[in-house]
Amino acid sequence: GQQLNQSPQSMFIQEGEDVSMNCTSSSIFNTWLWYKQDPGEGPVLLIALYKAGELTSNGRLTAQFGITRKDSFLNISASIPSDVGIYFCAGLKNSNSGYALNFGKGTSLLVTP
Amino acid sequence: NAGVTQTPKFQVLKTGQSMTLQCAQDMNHEYMSWYRQDPGMGLRLIHYSVGAGITDQGEVPNGYNVSRSTTEDFPLRLLSAAPSQTSVYFCASSRPGWAVNNSPLHFGNGTRLTVT
Repeated sequence: GQQLNQSPQSMFIQEGEDVSMNCTSSSIFNTWLWYKQDPGEGPVLLIALYKAGELTSNGRLTAQFGITRKDSFLNISASIPSDVGIYFCAGLKNSNSGYALNFGKGTSLLVTP
Repeated sequence: NAGVTQTPKFQVLKTGQSMTLQCAQDMNHEYMSWYRQDPGMGLRLIHYSVGAGITDQGEVPNGYNVSRSTTEDFPLRLLSAAPSQTSVYFCASSRPGWAVNNSPLHFGNGTRLTVT
């Protein structure tokens, strides 16, 4: 599969701080997705990006699809304790055999009150 | 509202044993897939299916078989378990065209498998 480089690997921040994480690839993707995973659960979709340059918000979350289609970032503003979890980026290419997501290795976020 | 249900939640196998991980969804989703999640590796696609009777390989298919006889179920079979298959397995489903029409990929809560 295609390698997605996600950074940082982990973040330890105080409540109220803003958070930024990003994902890069040597390949072009048609779609970028950001997921959050809580302990013991499956990932849940946060934001989906379908167009190069697209900037999309979901509450305190903002994500952008890079112009080159090889990168994406996710920002979380004014973090709160429930933001704790692992955040994954995922890139998708359409292929003859259907859709297959490639995931980054995740950013582990810890928020202290 | 069950969503995607995976059973069992935990399983311990000995090397060489076989077992089937079950996945069922009640949302009439045509697309279903299996991922494995290993520490520091993210999620990697094992197999997927775009509809009943149709399956295809993902990134890491070796050692796993799948079948899709109904829309609701997508079992994952380990024919001869190996320690390298110790992992957390996630099943996910969605509607057709999920990747391009803003339909989320719904994940189950995972099966934690240990092979000794």
